[in-house]
Amino acid sequence: SQQGEEDPQALSIQEGENATMNCSYKTSINNLQWYRQNSGRGLVHLILIRSNEREKHSGRLRVTLDTSKKSSSLLITASRAADTASYFCATDDLTGANNLFFGTGTRLTVIP
Amino acid sequence: NAGVMQNPRHLVRRRGQEARLRCSPMKGHSHVYWYRQLPEEGLKFMVYLQKENIIDESGMPKERFSAEFPKEGPSILRIQQVVRGDSAAYFCASSPFRQANTGELFFGEGSRLTVL
Repeated sequence: SQQGEEDPQALSIQEGENATMNCSYKTSINNLQWYRQNSGRGLVHLILIRSNEREKHSGRLRVTLDTSKKSSSLLITASRAADTASYFCATDDLTGANNLFFGTGTRLTVIP
Repeated sequence: NAGVMQNPRHLVRRRGQEARLRCSPMKGHSHVYWYRQLPEEGLKFMVYLQKENIIDESGMPKERFSAEFPKEGPSILRIQQVVRGDSAAYFCASSPFRQANTGELFFGEGSRLTVL
């Protein structure tokens, strides 16, 4: 199965601190994405990084990708209470599958 | 431009009843995906449809579950004779192109099914 694994499962930090979440996957990919899910809501796309990219930035988000280790990290800098949510990585695979494979998520709590 | 619309947001059914979940994709999107999320877990792919066609149903249970995306109207995920194990959040996502080509999916708020 291609399903990713996020680490840690849960993370609690103080507002203003940085939050780092990691994702590992199993097979080669075209791209990797990070999504955010607030409790009881749908998923919102945050950022996509392609397999030939190593790092990407978007606002307070920084994503890295290491295809040799089949891993990615999501860094949220200067966290805010509103960043409290679950964060999921999602990958495709090289078979051209029609769907994304989601990890189990990291539950981030930012304490004001 | 309205996002992906799902209804109902919450649905309660007794064992053996039928559940119908509806999804209207974003305007201009002709590719629809259904995912299921169990509590404290990630999303699991169920089915991928284009207008009037089921493209990939490899993630959908062979029995009791069906999906359609008619020429007119929303996509519908239908669960017959529901059991307690069907209790989950069902998410619909859409994209303007096949996901494998473009990446990002746009998700609805989900339909939360509770089977008593």
